[in-house]
Amino acid sequence: GENVEQHPSTLSVQEGDSAVIKCTYSDSASNYFPWYKQELGKRPQLIIDIRSNVGEKKDQRIAVTLNKTAKHFSLHITETQPEDSAVYFCAASRVGGGADGLTFGKGTHLIIQP
Amino acid sequence: EPEVTQTPSHQVTQMGQEVILRCVPISNHLYFYWYRQILGQKVEFLVSFYNNEISEKSEIFDDQFSVERPDGSNFTLKIRSTKLEDSAMYFCASSRTSRQETQYFGPGTRLLVL
Repeated sequence: GENVEQHPSTLSVQEGDSAVIKCTYSDSASNYFPWYKQELGKRPQLIIDIRSNVGEKKDQRIAVTLNKTAKHFSLHITETQPEDSAVYFCAASRVGGGADGLTFGKGTHLIIQP
Repeated sequence: EPEVTQTPSHQVTQMGQEVILRCVPISNHLYFYWYRQILGQKVEFLVSFYNNEISEKSEIFDDQFSVERPDGSNFTLKIRSTKLEDSAMYFCASSRTSRQETQYFGPGTRLLVL
């Protein structure tokens, strides 16, 4: 089955700086890669996703890049703000025939230092 | 904006007891999922459900677990004989179609087995 590795486990950046979180996946058939943000005690919320037919997607301060050959994808947050502090999870799945479960990475605790 | 809802928010049970966790997916969604998150760990896929049957399940989803859609709105997860290691946050999620892969998560049920 799919295995998703995520690094780093903790990332501390100064407010206004950029943050990058990286994930690798093992199943070359995976074709959908969402990123979820989870604040303490709350539900995971989708912040951005990318499908395997594109290499990059951007939404305001958030961008995701995908390298299918190397089987890795990254989350980039620019101009970080205190409200960006949370745990971020990458995930991968193979979407197509049926309801495909997401395989999550272990999460990155992002801390924005004021 | 419609959201996935879950009840109860917290449940405490004795080891060996049966528990039923309830979810109301977003109304026009067709695919339903259960995930669990042990405290401080990553989110893990349990099972997906479509057209009144299980589409996919993980190795965690053994014979102690079952899912059901008893009516047009509810989606339940039953654990027949709870173990201490079942203590976790259980998230329900739903997606409109498999091709529109975004999975929306509910707020979770925190299950504590004593």
